Order: sequence, then C-alpha cells, then structure tokens
Amino acid sequence: AQSVAQPEDQVNVAEGNPLTVKCTYSVSGNPYLFWYVQYPNRGLQFLLKYITGDNLVKGSYGFEAEFNKSQTSFHLKKPSALVSDSALYFCAVRDNTGGFKTIFGAGTRLFVKA
Amino acid sequence: DTGVSQDPRHKITKRGQNVTFRCDPISEHNRLYWYRQTLGQGPEFLTYFQNEAQLEKSRLLSDRFSAERPKGSFSTLEIQRTEQGDSAMYLCASSLGADNGYTFGSGTRLTVV
Repeated sequence: AQSVAQPEDQVNVAEGNPLTVKCTYSVSGNPYLFWYVQYPNRGLQFLLKYITGDNLVKGSYGFEAEFNKSQTSFHLKKPSALVSDSALYFCAVRDNTGGFKTIFGAGTRLFVKA
Repeated sequence: DTGVSQDPRHKITKRGQNVTFRCDPISEHNRLYWYRQTLGQGPEFLTYFQNEAQLEKSRLLSDRFSAERPKGSFSTLEIQRTEQGDSAMYLCASSLGADNGYTFGSGTRLTVV
C-alpha cells in the first residue's frame, strides 16, 4: 500500500537556523512526492513536488526538498528559518495503484522561535 | 480565476439531518477531489472526479455519502443522516492532470450536534 510517514509530530527551530522536516514513503512504481503547508486558519497550499530528475527540488517560500531513493525519504529543508514559516507541513505521495489520488501524511507542526 | 471556492465555510447541523456542500474548482482543472480532515490529522481521501466521471471512492466512505460533478464543473458532497463522527473539515481540491499539485479550497467545517 502507498503511504507516507512523518516521524516527528513537532519540530522546533530558532529563527535563522536551518530546518528539516522529515518524510519517508512507501510506494509501488516511481514515486511522485509532494509537500504542502497549512498556515493557521488558512487552506492547504502546495509547496513543491518531485516527479523525476534532480534529487533536490526547489519550491515556494525558499523551501527545498531532497529525494533519496535508497532511503525512501523526501525531507523538506530550508537554509534559514523565519518565524512566519511556523505552520503545519504535510508530506504526500501519489497513489500509483490506480486513480493517482494523493495520500497525505499526518503532518508535522513547525515552530520557529524568534 | 480566484482559486477553489467552497460553500458554506461553516455548517452546524443536528444529528440525523442531511447536509450538502458545494465546491467550485479552478475552471481549467479537470480533476476534483474531496478530502476530510480532523484535528491533528492529515487530509483523508474521500472521492475524486475526472471531468464529470467519479473514478474512485474511498472504502471508508459509507453509503450516506454521495458526490456529484455535473457537467464537469462544480461539485457537491452530500451527507445523509449525519452522525457526530462526521464532524470534520471537508476539503475540496482541484488539479490539472495527475502529476501536478492540488489547489485546495478553504474547506467547510461541519459540526454535528
């Protein structure tokens, strides 16, 4: 079965420090991977995706993600965190077994302290 | 196009009543999805449409739930005989093709009392 795991419920980081939000996946076939962000009282927003090509994918708001096939991971990263990055982050994988719907992880709450 | 619109934003209903939610996707998007999200959880897939065809429905969805997308434009999600366990945020999203990220609406928060 296709699935994603976000092993950390919460990540705390100081403003200006680099941040990493972890994600591992299980999928049959080629992985199509996504990150979304949910700010308080706002809808889910697409951040970035990995389909094929370069293992380092760049997205919105200065975020990037590194695809690692051997470790089946797709960690979200940012070189310098901002307080405004505090939000709920969801890793997601496309279900390749039929229909190609997206399956979401449980989410990781990021707190950036000033 | 201002994005994906959902109506209403909030709905409080008594147990046993029927409710209907509407979603207006981005006009050029051919795929429309319904998800449900409860507090502290990720979005859970309910159903999706490609144009007007409903191509997949979650096994978690009981027969009380039905969705339509007439003419491949807006979509409605109806819940019959609501139960307290139906209380959640119902999210609609649309996309162009299967490889692109979704654009989500702001959701409809359902509270069943």
